[in-house]
Amino acid sequence: DTEVTQTPKHLVMGMTNKKSLKCEQHMGHRAMYWYKQKAKKPPELMFVYSYEKLSINESVPSRFSPECPNSSLLNLHLHALQPEDSALYLCASSQGAGNQPQHFGDGTRLSIL
Amino acid sequence: GQNIDQPTEMTATEGAIVQINCTYQTSGFNGLFWYQQHAGEAPTFLSYNVLDGLEEKGRFSSFLSRSKGYSYLLLKELQMKDSASYLCAVRDRDTGFQKLVFGTGTRLLVSP
Repeated sequence: DTEVTQTPKHLVMGMTNKKSLKCEQHMGHRAMYWYKQKAKKPPELMFVYSYEKLSINESVPSRFSPECPNSSLLNLHLHALQPEDSALYLCASSQGAGNQPQHFGDGTRLSIL
Repeated sequence: GQNIDQPTEMTATEGAIVQINCTYQTSGFNGLFWYQQHAGEAPTFLSYNVLDGLEEKGRFSSFLSRSKGYSYLLLKELQMKDSASYLCAVRDRDTGFQKLVFGTGTRLLVSP
């Protein structure tokens, strides 16, 4: 078990659906991250939130919309996704966005039909 | 930009020692991380090196040479559960070190 909790663990959705991925941590971390990971590839950074403000967007398509309601929660809103968006979506947090290690959640495995 | 290289796959025998190498080229350096990832699971933090030398944590040790742009992860007394991917990662200076850039990972298979 990890200290970063992601829900749901699995999600299957059609290309016209709207869904959200959720991430929660109670370690007092002030930086939170979304990553996308395809099979047999390393995680690729999507977004970074530092002190609840979006600090990095890695040119992610607008069909992915992040939200940080408070310092413990991070959401990823999904709309009109494509089949190539099927992947493992990982949330991570760290004490700050500097040199502290990032702690990952177990991820949400997303399948787009 | 960053360039991080790791071997794609390695095999070893239970009880043995294995060394996984990582070489990197960065425009600025602020530490190197090693993560373990079992198939279908989250990456788990193993070690962090920012100064030259060896960091030891039980059966796992990590070494860094900043002048050579080189690190290795040493796993001793291998167990079957050590079969996993091992990811080397450095922080990207261009984003104020907020972004963690991963190598392609090394898949380690431990056999009986």
